[in-house]
Amino acid sequence: NAGVMQNPRHLVRRRGQEARLRCSPMKGHSHVYWYRQLPEEGLKFMVYLQKENIIDESGMPKERFSAEFPKEGPSILRIQQVVRGDSAAYFCASSRTSGMSDTQYFGPGTRLTVL
Amino acid sequence: QKEVEQDPGPLSVPEGAIVSLNCTYSNSAFQYFMWYRQYSRKGPELLMYTYSSGNKEDGRFTAQVDKSSKYISLFIRDSQPSDSATYLCAMSGEGQNFVFGPGTRLSVLP
Repeated sequence: NAGVMQNPRHLVRRRGQEARLRCSPMKGHSHVYWYRQLPEEGLKFMVYLQKENIIDESGMPKERFSAEFPKEGPSILRIQQVVRGDSAAYFCASSRTSGMSDTQYFGPGTRLTVL
Repeated sequence: QKEVEQDPGPLSVPEGAIVSLNCTYSNSAFQYFMWYRQYSRKGPELLMYTYSSGNKEDGRFTAQVDKSSKYISLFIRDSQPSDSATYLCAMSGEGQNFVFGPGTRLSVLP
């Protein structure tokens, strides 16, 4: 049973470009969460999605960031007009049932570097 | 005060030692407590999941939760070099997002 998959694993962008990060949840999981991790810091919640719905985006910056989880295909975290401060590791997690209390399984992360 | 605090380490112990990792928190609504292990440049891996107060054991790992003191611990017995990683505590309440501690970096020396 494949785990949570993320791609690309590494992404380099120049300031002002767009970054698209993809996440495929574990089989049987329909709840997806995105987190950001800066060096020497813990994971910071960004957004929680179910198929075709954003449930909680309270941790996501209001500008330049968006997320979706379409009926078919992976969840996408999109960062427009990237800046150096966006450089971080972005992790996706998935769970089987609803609610933030359910066990979340993490993917390997996408490391974004903004030049 | 941060919502979840954790000694950042690094913590270095000899192989075979008992390791104690701890987190404190301020939100009394937290009911679900987790410990994740994260190897360098990898995603977090769930180790232990505990609901409310009490102890839970799984092999060499024991998780303790003391809600009255807002304090959780992870004990690792007979530590191995392969246990060298960053350990993250995480917690949440009903309808609340997960909140992670900053992590403790552990090195187990052969």
